[in-house]
Amino acid sequence: NAGVMQNPRHLVRRRGQEARLRCSPMKGHSHVYWYRQLPEEGLKFMVYLQKENIIDESGMPKERFSAEFPKEGPSILRIQQVVRGDSAAYFCASSPPQTGGWFAEAFFGQGTRLTVV
Amino acid sequence: QQQVKQSPQSLIVQKGGISIINCAYENTAFDYFPWYQQFPGKGPALLIAIRPDVSEKKEGRFTISFNKSAKQFSLHIMDSQPGDSATYFCAAKAFNDYKLSFGAGTTVTVRA
Repeated sequence: NAGVMQNPRHLVRRRGQEARLRCSPMKGHSHVYWYRQLPEEGLKFMVYLQKENIIDESGMPKERFSAEFPKEGPSILRIQQVVRGDSAAYFCASSPPQTGGWFAEAFFGQGTRLTVV
Repeated sequence: QQQVKQSPQSLIVQKGGISIINCAYENTAFDYFPWYQQFPGKGPALLIAIRPDVSEKKEGRFTISFNKSAKQFSLHIMDSQPGDSATYFCAAKAFNDYKLSFGAGTTVTVRA
């Protein structure tokens, strides 16, 4: 069973371009979470998605950022018109469905390191 | 604001020594406290976790100590090895929540 797969591993974008980050959850996992890690900071929650639904996007910047998890295919985190401050590592995590009110442990991918030049 | 405060930012320990990392939290709704280990270029991997109904949990050379009244918890790495050199993150969440609140991380370097 492959782990959470993220691609690309490294992405360089010029200011004003779009960045698309992909995440394929572990087999059997229907919950996907995106976290952002700024230099010398811990991971910060961005968004929680289930298939075709955004459950919680309270950690997403209000503009330029969007996320989706379509019925088929990977989850996508999209950043439009990137700025230097978007440079960070973006981690995706996945977990199986919730049982008995308990959210199961999420497993993290290796991340996408975005550099905006 | 930072919901989980972690210290120190970095530490260096000799092989065979003890590494100690401390975390403090404010949100009394938190009742699950995992520690993650992250190697350069990799994602965080769950190392060990504790619930507030116990004061200590040990797995191999890794021990979590938990002080509910002080709202503090710590990770002890006994007999530290060069392979333990990594960044360690403490985290916390509530039982019925999915969001993890992470500390800022501690970079541990174990010198041979």
